[in-house]
Amino acid sequence: EVQLVESGGGLVQPGGSLRLSCAASGFIFSDYSMIWVRQAPGKGPEWVSYISSTSTTIYYADSVRGRFTISRDNAKNSLYLQMDSLRVEDTAVYYCVRGDDIAAIHFDYWGQGTLVTVSS
Amino acid sequence: EVVLTQSPATLSLSPGDRATLSCRASQSVSIYLAWYQQKPGQAPRLLIYDASNRAAGIPARFRGSGSGTDFTLTISSLEPEDFAVYYCQQRDAWPPYTYTFGQGTKLEIK
Repeated sequence: EVQLVESGGGLVQPGGSLRLSCAASGFIFSDYSMIWVRQAPGKGPEWVSYISSTSTTIYYADSVRGRFTISRDNAKNSLYLQMDSLRVEDTAVYYCVRGDDIAAIHFDYWGQGTLVTVSS
Repeated sequence: EVVLTQSPATLSLSPGDRATLSCRASQSVSIYLAWYQQKPGQAPRLLIYDASNRAAGIPARFRGSGSGTDFTLTISSLEPEDFAVYYCQQRDAWPPYTYTFGQGTKLEIK
């Protein structure tokens, strides 16, 4: 059974930093691209970042580029999101998501999410 | 960036009714459109990918159709568990890739 378990969320002040982690199991992690998607309270999902299976290709949404860094450790079956210079508008549930195949056009498995609250 | 516009924003129907949800793209996305269902307090769940293919375990009452810029999700006969929010999603055809979601359609019990 595919499982994605996020951790690391919490309350942080504007300008602060947070590192999210995602532990993957039930599939060959190194075969899949991984994605972070966030969802602000009462809003629809918003794509944040993408990383290919071997970390050679990385993309960011304009809203986080230069502030967030995605990474992965295939030996540990783990995905990470380093979030710096956090803003109030970064407040959201952050989901770890698996790309559905080699093209990763869609997202076939989602974690339960971890809440990040940016507030003074 | 491709903008996805969903309609209606809210759809009020009764169990047993047929639901028709629309997603329109600002430019062609070929068939590379997905639909997700989200219930309160849960993560979105993939229903349909590549416009018309049901994901694993999705009942046959869910049907996706369309290509280019106009897409439809049809639920043939609503079950109580189908009342939720539905989102469409696409990925750019060429790198650097970006992914976008529609703003959602809330399917509520009439």
